[in-house]
Amino acid sequence: DAKTTQPTSMDCAEGRAANLPCNHSTISGNEYVYWYRQIHSQGPQYIIHGLKNNETNEMASLIITEDRKSSTLILPHATLRDTAVYYCIAYSSYKLIFGSGTRLLVRP
Amino acid sequence: DTEVTQTPKHLVMGMTNKKSLKCEQHMGHRAMYWYKQKAKKPPELMFVYSYEKLSINESVPSRFSPECPNSSLLNLHLHALQPEDSALYLCASSPSRGTGGSGANVLTFGAGSRLTVL
Repeated sequence: DAKTTQPTSMDCAEGRAANLPCNHSTISGNEYVYWYRQIHSQGPQYIIHGLKNNETNEMASLIITEDRKSSTLILPHATLRDTAVYYCIAYSSYKLIFGSGTRLLVRP
Repeated sequence: DTEVTQTPKHLVMGMTNKKSLKCEQHMGHRAMYWYKQKAKKPPELMFVYSYEKLSINESVPSRFSPECPNSSLLNLHLHALQPEDSALYLCASSPSRGTGGSGANVLTFGAGSRLTVL
Protein backbone atom coordinates (compact mmCIF):
# COMPACT_ATOMS: atom_id res chain seq x y z
CA ASP A 1 0.00 0.00 0.00
CA ALA A 2 1.16 3.52 -0.82
CA LYS A 3 2.85 5.72 1.75
CA THR A 4 1.20 9.03 2.60
CA THR A 5 2.78 12.25 3.83
CA GLN A 6 0.91 14.75 6.00
CA PRO A 7 1.92 17.87 7.91
CA THR A 8 2.62 17.13 11.55
CA SER A 9 0.27 19.79 12.85
CA MET A 10 -2.12 22.51 11.72
CA ASP A 11 -4.51 24.92 13.32
CA CYS A 12 -7.54 26.88 12.25
CA ALA A 13 -10.09 29.20 13.78
CA GLU A 14 -13.45 27.94 14.89
CA GLY A 15 -16.08 28.44 12.21
CA ARG A 16 -13.55 28.57 9.39
CA ALA A 17 -12.79 25.81 6.91
CA ALA A 18 -10.00 23.43 7.79
CA ASN A 19 -8.07 22.14 4.78
CA LEU A 20 -5.87 19.15 5.54
CA PRO A 21 -3.47 18.11 2.77
CA CYS A 22 -2.13 14.65 2.06
CA ASN A 23 0.50 13.53 -0.41
CA HIS A 24 0.28 10.02 -1.85
CA SER A 25 2.47 10.26 -4.94
CA THR A 26 3.04 6.49 -5.17
CA ILE A 27 -0.63 5.55 -5.01
CA SER A 28 -1.60 2.77 -7.38
CA GLY A 29 -4.70 2.59 -9.53
CA ASN A 30 -6.73 0.34 -7.26
CA GLU A 31 -5.90 2.14 -4.01
CA TYR A 32 -8.51 4.34 -2.41
CA VAL A 33 -7.79 7.33 -0.21
CA TYR A 34 -9.38 7.00 3.23
CA TRP A 35 -9.52 9.57 6.02
CA TYR A 36 -9.98 8.73 9.69
CA ARG A 37 -9.64 10.92 12.74
CA GLN A 38 -8.91 10.19 16.36
CA ILE A 39 -10.10 12.45 19.10
CA HIS A 40 -8.00 12.23 22.25
CA SER A 41 -8.23 8.83 23.97
CA GLN A 42 -10.99 7.59 21.67
CA GLY A 43 -10.96 5.03 18.85
CA PRO A 44 -10.36 6.24 15.30
CA GLN A 45 -13.45 7.42 13.46
CA TYR A 46 -14.04 6.99 9.74
CA ILE A 47 -14.61 10.27 7.88
CA ILE A 48 -14.66 9.73 4.13
CA HIS A 49 -13.02 7.87 1.27
CA GLY A 50 -12.64 8.24 -2.49
CA LEU A 51 -10.90 6.88 -5.58
CA LYS A 52 -10.85 9.52 -8.32
CA ASN A 53 -13.83 11.78 -7.91
CA ASN A 54 -14.36 14.37 -5.25
CA GLU A 55 -16.59 13.15 -2.46
CA THR A 56 -18.77 14.88 0.11
CA ASN A 57 -20.69 13.59 3.10
CA GLU A 58 -22.17 15.11 6.22
CA MET A 59 -18.78 15.36 7.88
CA ALA A 60 -16.38 16.56 5.21
CA SER A 61 -15.38 16.88 1.58
CA LEU A 62 -12.53 15.08 -0.10
CA ILE A 63 -10.78 16.67 -3.06
CA ILE A 64 -8.47 14.37 -5.05
CA THR A 65 -6.18 15.82 -7.71
CA GLU A 66 -6.58 14.56 -11.25
CA ASP A 67 -3.26 12.69 -11.12
CA ARG A 68 -4.32 11.21 -7.74
CA LYS A 69 -0.96 12.09 -6.20
CA SER A 70 -2.47 14.25 -3.50
CA SER A 71 -5.75 15.02 -1.79
CA THR A 72 -7.28 17.51 0.62
CA LEU A 73 -9.78 16.88 3.37
CA ILE A 74 -12.03 19.86 3.96
CA LEU A 75 -13.99 20.41 7.16
CA PRO A 76 -16.21 23.27 6.02
CA HIS A 77 -16.98 24.88 9.37
CA ALA A 78 -14.56 23.61 11.98
CA THR A 79 -15.71 23.41 15.59
CA LEU A 80 -13.74 22.85 18.77
CA ARG A 81 -14.90 19.22 18.69
CA ASP A 82 -12.97 18.74 15.44
CA THR A 83 -9.67 19.01 17.32
CA ALA A 84 -8.12 15.60 16.66
CA VAL A 85 -5.42 13.71 14.80
CA TYR A 86 -6.41 13.19 11.17
CA TYR A 87 -5.05 10.19 9.28
CA CYS A 88 -4.88 9.94 5.49
CA ILE A 89 -4.48 6.33 4.33
CA ALA A 90 -4.10 4.92 0.83
CA TYR A 91 -4.83 1.21 0.59
CA SER A 92 -6.54 -1.49 -1.38
CA SER A 93 -6.40 -4.48 0.95
CA TYR A 94 -7.93 -5.07 4.34
CA LYS A 95 -4.67 -4.21 6.08
CA LEU A 96 -5.33 -0.65 7.24
CA ILE A 97 -2.01 0.89 8.22
CA PHE A 98 -1.93 4.27 9.94
CA GLY A 99 0.76 6.87 9.29
CA SER A 100 1.68 9.66 11.68
CA GLY A 101 -1.29 11.87 10.78
CA THR A 102 -1.91 15.61 11.21
CA ARG A 103 -2.74 17.00 14.61
CA LEU A 104 -5.44 19.64 13.99
CA LEU A 105 -6.09 22.23 16.67
CA VAL A 106 -9.25 24.31 16.28
CA ARG A 107 -8.85 27.63 18.10
CA PRO A 108 -11.80 29.46 19.69
CA ASP B 1 -26.49 -1.25 16.52
CA THR B 2 -23.51 0.47 14.86
CA GLU B 3 -21.01 0.13 17.67
CA VAL B 4 -17.99 -1.91 18.60
CA THR B 5 -17.97 -2.53 22.34
CA GLN B 6 -14.74 -3.21 24.19
CA THR B 7 -14.37 -4.40 27.76
CA PRO B 8 -12.86 -3.62 30.13
CA LYS B 9 -12.17 0.07 29.53
CA HIS B 10 -9.21 -0.05 31.88
CA LEU B 11 -7.10 -3.01 33.03
CA VAL B 12 -4.14 -3.14 35.37
CA MET B 13 -2.25 -6.42 35.56
CA GLY B 14 0.98 -7.81 36.86
CA MET B 15 3.55 -9.52 34.67
CA THR B 16 2.49 -12.97 35.91
CA ASN B 17 -1.25 -12.46 35.47
CA LYS B 18 -3.49 -13.88 32.77
CA LYS B 19 -6.24 -11.59 31.57
CA SER B 20 -8.40 -11.11 28.49
CA LEU B 21 -9.71 -8.18 26.50
CA LYS B 22 -13.09 -8.58 24.85
CA CYS B 23 -14.64 -7.02 21.77
CA GLU B 24 -18.19 -7.38 20.49
CA GLN B 25 -20.06 -6.12 17.43
CA HIS B 26 -23.58 -6.79 16.18
CA MET B 27 -23.34 -5.19 12.76
CA GLY B 28 -22.95 -8.51 10.94
CA HIS B 29 -19.34 -7.67 10.11
CA ARG B 30 -17.18 -10.62 9.13
CA ALA B 31 -13.72 -9.08 9.55
CA MET B 32 -12.35 -8.08 12.97
CA TYR B 33 -9.08 -6.48 13.99
CA TRP B 34 -6.83 -5.81 16.96
CA TYR B 35 -4.62 -2.72 17.04
CA LYS B 36 -2.17 -1.53 19.67
CA GLN B 37 -1.55 2.18 20.28
CA LYS B 38 1.22 3.64 22.41
CA ALA B 39 0.98 7.21 23.66
CA LYS B 40 1.34 9.85 20.92
CA LYS B 41 1.81 7.16 18.24
CA PRO B 42 -0.56 5.92 15.52
CA PRO B 43 -2.40 2.63 15.95
CA GLU B 44 -0.38 -0.45 14.92
CA LEU B 45 -2.10 -3.46 13.40
CA MET B 46 -1.71 -6.68 15.38
CA PHE B 47 -4.21 -9.25 14.07
CA VAL B 48 -6.92 -9.59 11.43
CA TYR B 49 -9.69 -12.17 11.50
CA SER B 50 -11.77 -12.86 8.44
CA TYR B 51 -14.80 -15.13 8.73
CA GLU B 52 -13.58 -16.22 12.19
CA LYS B 53 -10.22 -17.35 10.88
CA LEU B 54 -6.93 -15.63 11.63
CA SER B 55 -5.71 -14.15 8.35
CA ILE B 56 -3.01 -11.70 9.47
CA ASN B 57 -0.61 -11.83 12.41
CA GLU B 58 1.80 -8.91 12.29
CA SER B 59 4.60 -10.85 14.02
CA VAL B 60 3.02 -10.26 17.40
CA PRO B 61 4.72 -11.96 20.39
CA SER B 62 3.03 -15.14 21.59
CA ARG B 63 2.17 -13.57 24.95
CA PHE B 64 -0.73 -12.04 22.98
CA SER B 65 -3.19 -14.71 21.88
CA PRO B 66 -6.24 -13.76 19.82
CA GLU B 67 -9.42 -15.76 19.64
CA CYS B 68 -12.57 -15.36 17.56
CA PRO B 69 -15.21 -17.67 19.06
CA ASN B 70 -17.93 -16.47 16.67
CA SER B 71 -18.58 -13.75 14.14
CA SER B 72 -19.60 -11.21 16.79
CA LEU B 73 -16.85 -11.71 19.35
CA LEU B 74 -13.11 -11.17 19.40
CA ASN B 75 -10.90 -11.79 22.39
CA LEU B 76 -7.28 -10.99 23.11
CA HIS B 77 -5.76 -13.21 25.78
CA LEU B 78 -2.83 -11.73 27.68
CA HIS B 79 -0.19 -13.71 29.55
CA ALA B 80 3.24 -12.86 30.93
CA LEU B 81 3.15 -9.32 29.59
CA GLN B 82 5.90 -6.78 30.03
CA PRO B 83 5.57 -3.17 31.19
CA GLU B 84 6.30 -2.02 27.62
CA ASP B 85 3.06 -3.73 26.55
CA SER B 86 1.14 -1.02 28.37
CA ALA B 87 -0.94 0.69 25.70
CA LEU B 88 -4.42 1.35 24.36
CA TYR B 89 -5.74 -1.77 22.62
CA LEU B 90 -8.27 -1.05 19.90
CA CYS B 91 -10.69 -3.46 18.31
CA ALA B 92 -12.32 -2.79 14.96
CA SER B 93 -14.64 -4.54 12.55
CA SER B 94 -15.58 -4.19 8.88
CA PRO B 95 -18.20 -5.81 6.65
CA SER B 96 -15.68 -8.16 5.09
CA ARG B 97 -12.12 -8.33 3.86
CA GLY B 98 -12.44 -6.09 0.91
CA THR B 99 -10.34 -4.73 -1.87
CA GLY B 100 -10.98 -1.07 -1.27
CA GLY B 101 -13.89 1.19 -1.94
CA SER B 102 -17.54 0.13 -2.05
CA GLY B 103 -17.72 0.56 1.72
CA ALA B 104 -16.34 -2.93 2.30
CA ASN B 105 -13.20 -1.67 3.97
CA VAL B 106 -14.62 0.96 6.29
CA LEU B 107 -13.48 -0.05 9.74
CA THR B 108 -15.57 0.78 12.79
CA PHE B 109 -13.43 1.10 15.90
CA GLY B 110 -14.25 0.60 19.54
CA ALA B 111 -13.22 3.06 22.24
CA GLY B 112 -10.34 0.85 23.31
CA SER B 113 -9.10 -0.91 26.43
CA ARG B 114 -6.31 0.89 28.25
CA LEU B 115 -3.88 -1.68 29.63
CA THR B 116 -1.27 -1.01 32.28
CA VAL B 117 1.26 -3.73 33.06
CA LEU B 118 3.06 -3.37 36.38
